Amino acid sequence: ETGVTQTPRHLVMGMTNKKSLKCEQHLGHNAMYWYKQSAKKPLELMFVYNFKEQTENNSVPSRFSPECPNSSHLFLHLHTLQPEDSALYLCASSQPGQGAEEQYFGPGTRLTVT
Amino acid sequence: AQSVTQLDSQVPVFEEAPVELRCNYSSSVSVYLFWYVQYPNQGLQLLLKYLSGSTLVKGINGFEAEFNKSQTSFHLRKPSVHISDTAEYFCAVSPPNQAGTALIFGKGTTLSVSS
Repeated sequence: ETGVTQTPRHLVMGMTNKKSLKCEQHLGHNAMYWYKQSAKKPLELMFVYNFKEQTENNSVPSRFSPECPNSSHLFLHLHTLQPEDSALYLCASSQPGQGAEEQYFGPGTRLTVT
Repeated sequence: AQSVTQLDSQVPVFEEAPVELRCNYSSSVSVYLFWYVQYPNQGLQLLLKYLSGSTLVKGINGFEAEFNKSQTSFHLRKPSVHISDTAEYFCAVSPPNQAGTALIFGKGTTLSVSS
């Protein structure tokens, strides 16, 4: 595997379910990000991790809980979601300290909350 | 704080015609500028980036963009598009030299190329 991978690619869950999204990067980067992409809206930053430490939480509701056990893996734990949380969730990584931080994106997880 | 405005939400164009996707940004500090492309059911892929130096930046797939500081613009151009260029295009900015800073994206422009 190369680049940034995300699993699952598609997820349908009820509002009372608990599920997790997984992101893995094979690029040796030390910064990882979760973005939410909804129709007709700009990409919304959710969380940023630098060297496994959370450095930004963009006022995300507590029903979204991130976890970064190491620099290569990032999870987004979901519980008691709302239908408006249905969106494409994108993971990205970058290497801090190398000038312009080009971010590399995974293919996303298409989440549908029923 | 920075912000990005993509002036056209949809741009329809015929194959082999030229195209320009417009992007304006707002920032009180210098920024890095990026264009990303998103094909259906895929993540974002970097097309090109401006860091410093020459204001004309060339990217992949024949795209180029010109940084205009006085007009705070970074418009994307291609002289002749193909059907395969149909996708969503995002302009983004980030402040330089800040580790782990997320990009700020525009709302995107849907480019539709038809024959």
